[in-house]
Amino acid sequence: GEDVEQSLFLSVREGDSSVINCTYTDSSSTYLYWYKQEPGAGLQLLTYIFSNMDMKQDQRLTVLLNKKDKHLSLRIADTQTGDSAIYFCAESVLNDMRFGAGTRLTVKP
Amino acid sequence: ETGVTQSPTHLIKTRGQQVTLRCSSQSGHNTVSWYQQALGQGPQFIFQYYREEENGRGNFPPRFSGLQFPNYSSELNVNALELDDSALYLCASKQKATGSENEQYFGPGTRLTVT
Repeated sequence: GEDVEQSLFLSVREGDSSVINCTYTDSSSTYLYWYKQEPGAGLQLLTYIFSNMDMKQDQRLTVLLNKKDKHLSLRIADTQTGDSAIYFCAESVLNDMRFGAGTRLTVKP
Repeated sequence: ETGVTQSPTHLIKTRGQQVTLRCSSQSGHNTVSWYQQALGQGPQFIFQYYREEENGRGNFPPRFSGLQFPNYSSELNVNALELDDSALYLCASKQKATGSENEQYFGPGTRLTVT
């Protein structure tokens, strides 16, 4: 089974905000990541956060980290149809990177 | 700056055969990792290479092996292919021992089908 858990599906309207949630298990994780995967493609690094930070903002993306609850979220403001993809949360532990199963985001016009 | 490239893009093999997948790291990156992504799942870590040595391994059997070359390109070899080896194989690279070593970039993947 996955050590990193995400809900499988999210559907939003164009222009709304999307929030994708993730829980991880290893408290020694140094970095936590969000990757985007479009059909038939590899993974695109969106953003990452160091484990001693609570929040990171990068243009339309906001990452929130609750280390006590091992909860990570990705907020996409003003979601566009081009944001439709699968979003993976991942934690780094030593030389390993553990991924969730991915959240499929569907943006409806 | 050249990104991570992988070849071939698609491959069909028969159970019991052997396969070699190739990866060229992003320019300036000295660390490469390989992942297996089964349909509908997240990537699973196979192993990592740094300075031509294996530097960490996931829960994969010994028939999964790899090489890293002096130019930091890499190969993934899988012997005695099984049907469950059908997956997208992803290569990722990063620059270890600098301030940006947390940024790992992925290639487009090789889709392997075992029949």
